[in-house]
Amino acid sequence: DQQVKQNSPSLSVQEGRISILNCDYTNSMFDYFLWYKKYPAEGPTFLISISSIKDKNEDGRFTVFLNKSAKHLSLHIVPSQPGDSAVYFCAASGRRAQKLVFGQGTRLTINP
Amino acid sequence: KAGVTQTPRYLIKTRGQQVTLSCSPISGHRSVSWYQQTPGQGLQFLFEYFSETQRNKGNFPGRFSGRQFSNSRSEMNVSTLELGDSALYLCASSLDGQGNNSPLHFGNGTRLTVT
Repeated sequence: DQQVKQNSPSLSVQEGRISILNCDYTNSMFDYFLWYKKYPAEGPTFLISISSIKDKNEDGRFTVFLNKSAKHLSLHIVPSQPGDSAVYFCAASGRRAQKLVFGQGTRLTINP
Repeated sequence: KAGVTQTPRYLIKTRGQQVTLSCSPISGHRSVSWYQQTPGQGLQFLFEYFSETQRNKGNFPGRFSGRQFSNSRSEMNVSTLELGDSALYLCASSLDGQGNNSPLHFGNGTRLTVT
């Protein structure tokens, strides 16, 4: 039962442009959403989160948007930099859902 | 502040053996969670410990077990290893535990290879 889905296994973006990573979820109990970035041979690094009382959260070049009615969230990276090349995981949990559930990941490649 | 530390980084074991992995959380964090990452399955939740008690468990067989000590350090044990247990095992700590809007902070993992 894939409760959190990242339908794009990979994404390629030119340096300086916007990267948009998407994530869909099915469990209406989820009320806290996060994005993680992972380099090879390292653990995932927490990037940004959003709770269900908000629809947008910004942190520098990273913005997360939440559309509760569509059960959809997205991560925008502007401008994209070569160091952003990594695998990005979205994750979701809730006070009643408890455990953090991860999507399958999207490999982002930033081309110079 | 030191991050989450996992030891060892790499481990090679034979089928049928057992293995113990160790995790030291960020200072002050009371929750430790374990995840298994494989290429086909992504990040799968194993279990969470909070103040020495197992608070939540994923859908893994009983061969996978864990514990947490009074200093919040945690160990994970896998008995009777199978080839399919080859994976990256990730430990994550958080301040208030899962389900409390508290992000998980991951270590760099232990890469287990079963031959």
